[in-house]
Amino acid sequence: LAKTTQPISMDSYEGQEVNITCSHNNIATNDYITWYQQFPSQGPRFIIQGYKTKVTNEVASLFIPADRKSSTLSLPRVSLSDTAVYYCLVGPVDSSYKLIFGSGTRLLVRP
Amino acid sequence: GAGVSQSPSNKVTEKGKDVELRCDPISGHTALYWYRQSLGQGLEFLIYFQGNSAPDKSGLPSDRFSAERTGGSVSTLTIQRTQQEDSAVYLCASSPGLVRSYEQYFGPGTRLTVT
Repeated sequence: LAKTTQPISMDSYEGQEVNITCSHNNIATNDYITWYQQFPSQGPRFIIQGYKTKVTNEVASLFIPADRKSSTLSLPRVSLSDTAVYYCLVGPVDSSYKLIFGSGTRLLVRP
Repeated sequence: GAGVSQSPSNKVTEKGKDVELRCDPISGHTALYWYRQSLGQGLEFLIYFQGNSAPDKSGLPSDRFSAERTGGSVSTLTIQRTQQEDSAVYLCASSPGLVRSYEQYFGPGTRLTVT
């Protein structure tokens, strides 16, 4: 897995858009970018995965610039229930399977 | 639809006892993974099953740990002669296969406490 760097923590308020950026300068050609969310005392939850440009699903959007050296997870209109740790992973999704989480970004959403 | 289920949700055992943890993956998912997570720590990969292929056991921390997957579905992780350092949350995940392998769906975990 490529090394990733994320902010340790972020604070936001309900209703705001939250953008969490992950740096991955050494991303390889066949690497994908995957984000997970984990609530306390629960298993991680897959959020979104992308290779380039923009991916959007019902939960979040993932923005990936042309050089792919970073990516931004965008959570629209967060609520208190979005308080969790968010992990960015970068690696080849067709030949590797061991998820290795870094320290992640601890998002705190305030009322 | 039904997600990954694990049982028991909590297990307290005495040091030296054996424990069995069960995982029911999402129906149709050929890949199954076991991880453990200690308090405040990241994921530690334990073992990976893919279809009928030999499992990747490279993450098992000692020979006290073993796992099997019967009929390509349910999996059991067994820890023999438990030690206090085995205390952790044991997480099971499944995915459709090696394609999109980072898209893993986790169960709620089994919290194991060894006293």
